[in-house]
Amino acid sequence: EVQLLESGGGLVQPGGSLRLSCAASGFPFSSFAISWVRQAPGKGLEWVSAISGTGDITHYADSVKGRFTISRDNSKNTLYLQMNSLRAEDTAVYYCAKTDRILDFWGQGTLVTVSS
Amino acid sequence: DIVMTQSPDSLAVSLGERATISCKSSQSILSTSNDKNYLAWYQQKPGQTPKLLIYWASTRESGVPDRFSGSGSGTDFTLTITSLQAEDVAVYYCHQYYSPPYTFGQGTKLEIK
Repeated sequence: EVQLLESGGGLVQPGGSLRLSCAASGFPFSSFAISWVRQAPGKGLEWVSAISGTGDITHYADSVKGRFTISRDNSKNTLYLQMNSLRAEDTAVYYCAKTDRILDFWGQGTLVTVSS
Repeated sequence: DIVMTQSPDSLAVSLGERATISCKSSQSILSTSNDKNYLAWYQQKPGQTPKLLIYWASTRESGVPDRFSGSGSGTDFTLTITSLQAEDVAVYYCHQYYSPPYTFGQGTKLEIK
């Protein structure tokens, strides 16, 4: 059974940093790209970033480029999102999603709140 | 960046009737190399995680009821729900995975009339 479990969310002040994790199981982790998608309270879905199975190819939304870094540790079946210079508009539930071009399985999400 | 625009923003349909949601991309998401449209539809029920319904514009994900269908090509796409059921109340999103950044439409909220 495919499982994706996000963690690391919480309350952080504007300008601060946070690292999200996504622990995966139930599929050959290194064979699949993984994406981060976020959803601000009461708003729609926003694609944030994606990383290839080997970790050598990454993509970012313009809204987070230069502030967020996606990475993965295939030995630990874990995906990361390092978020720096956080802004109020980064407040959202962050989902990781197994990616086979399409986002075919999503985790339950972790809430990030950026507020003073 | 490819902009995805859905219409309408919200829709109320009677039980058993047809619901139709449109999605337009700002540029073609049809690949000439494999003749596939890089378009997916997701359903998000209240308080739940998004669920994949349709990919390659018209391929239904395993387990998705056949009252859900996708159509279209190039820049214009449609999600159709025939014979609407109460459990279909949700927000529906289109999503292009043709080129990064892989953008979503703004969502269409489907309710029962």
